[in-house]
Amino acid sequence: SQQGEEDPQALSIQEGENATMNCSYKTSINNLQWYRQNSGRGLVHLILIRSNEREKHSGRLRVTLDTSKKSSSLLITASRAADTASYFCATDATGTASKLTFGTGTRLQVTL
Amino acid sequence: NAGVTQTPKFQVLKTGQSMTLQCAQDMNHEYMSWYRQDPGMGLRLIHYSVGAGITDQGEVPNGYNVSRSTTEDFPLRLLSAAPSQTSVYFCASSSGTARRGYTFGSGTRLTVV
Repeated sequence: SQQGEEDPQALSIQEGENATMNCSYKTSINNLQWYRQNSGRGLVHLILIRSNEREKHSGRLRVTLDTSKKSSSLLITASRAADTASYFCATDATGTASKLTFGTGTRLQVTL
Repeated sequence: NAGVTQTPKFQVLKTGQSMTLQCAQDMNHEYMSWYRQDPGMGLRLIHYSVGAGITDQGEVPNGYNVSRSTTEDFPLRLLSAAPSQTSVYFCASSSGTARRGYTFGSGTRLTVV
């Protein structure tokens, strides 16, 4: 069964706008990670946030984590056409650091 | 560094045939995993390994075998291919724990007819 569910399933925005994707999960976690997948390619790790962290930044990416609500959000600021991809959250449940459980992903389309 | 290398990139099998998907990494990573990706399902863990000689089952292990005789290689064997195994397969590796994120291969697209 999927641990994470992303919302929305698909998102279309114009270049320069911000994109926000949400992830909800079901069980306790050690950390939560976000990955990007370009069409027909493998996944690329973007950012990791630990369960004791509430917010993390990396370049144009901002991730928040609310463990009380079992949810996370990924914000991409000033989006570019190159950001067009699918984005997945992945959870590392407490005590199982070797296993990631992925959500179903958000497909982001950034148009010029 | 090549990272994580998967071969072949594409494969068509007939029902009942067996084959091995190859995965190799040159980063001296301890952790390696196999996932399958199906439309609308995200990625599901098939098998994983925390080091040479150590493997364990993931969420969907039935119909697949793995072994880890070296740190570098983690092949996935399909014992008797079924149409339900049509999918894109990804191998991934990580150093020590998943806390630093996984490095993924480019995938193998498998079709079973």
